Amino acid sequence: AQSVTQPDIHITVSEGASLELRCNYSYGATPYLFWYVQSPGQGLQLLLKYFSGDTLVQGIKGFEAEFKRSQSSFNLRKPSVHWSDAAEYFCAVGANQAGTALIFGKGTTLSVSS
Amino acid sequence: DGGITQSPKYLFRKEGQNVTLSCEQNLNHDAMYWYRQDPGQGLRLIYYSQIVNDFQKGDIAEGYSVSREKKESFPLTVTSAQKNPTAFYLCASSDQRSYHYGYTFGSGTRLTVV
Repeated sequence: AQSVTQPDIHITVSEGASLELRCNYSYGATPYLFWYVQSPGQGLQLLLKYFSGDTLVQGIKGFEAEFKRSQSSFNLRKPSVHWSDAAEYFCAVGANQAGTALIFGKGTTLSVSS
Repeated sequence: DGGITQSPKYLFRKEGQNVTLSCEQNLNHDAMYWYRQDPGQGLRLIYYSQIVNDFQKGDIAEGYSVSREKKESFPLTVTSAQKNPTAFYLCASSDQRSYHYGYTFGSGTRLTVV
């Protein structure tokens, strides 16, 4: 069965500092991987996705993520965090087949300090 | 602009009452999904539907029901059998022909038991 683990419940980063949010997945084949962001009381917005090709993917708002098959990881990074990046971030995994649904991690809350 | 509309944004339910959450999309997406979000729990799948007049139970379907009579609409009913319905409910959709592009989410409905 598929599963997603986000080991960090809450992270605080200084504005301008770099950021890495961790995501580990469990899936037998090559998965589809996603990162979403959620502002309080809102829906989720897709940041980036991986399903094949280059293992380093670029997303919106200056985010990137790297797929590492050997480590079953898909960590999200940003070189310089802005105060507006404070939000909750979700990693999700999907099977490479129709008729299935995405499985989400429990999320990581990012706080940005000035 | 295409998107997903969830209504109402806030909903209050009395004990023993059934309530229905609306989800409408004009993206011409085949698949639609309902997730429940609780603090620290991430998103948990309630029901999903790949085509009209067909749907599948997710991980936490007990106490919920759905219908899919039209491609555009996927309402969720929270029945009196759901003992702890207070949560944030998110509806999403995806194009089955390109489901690896991820989901589009609505802005959510917050349900509170009073």
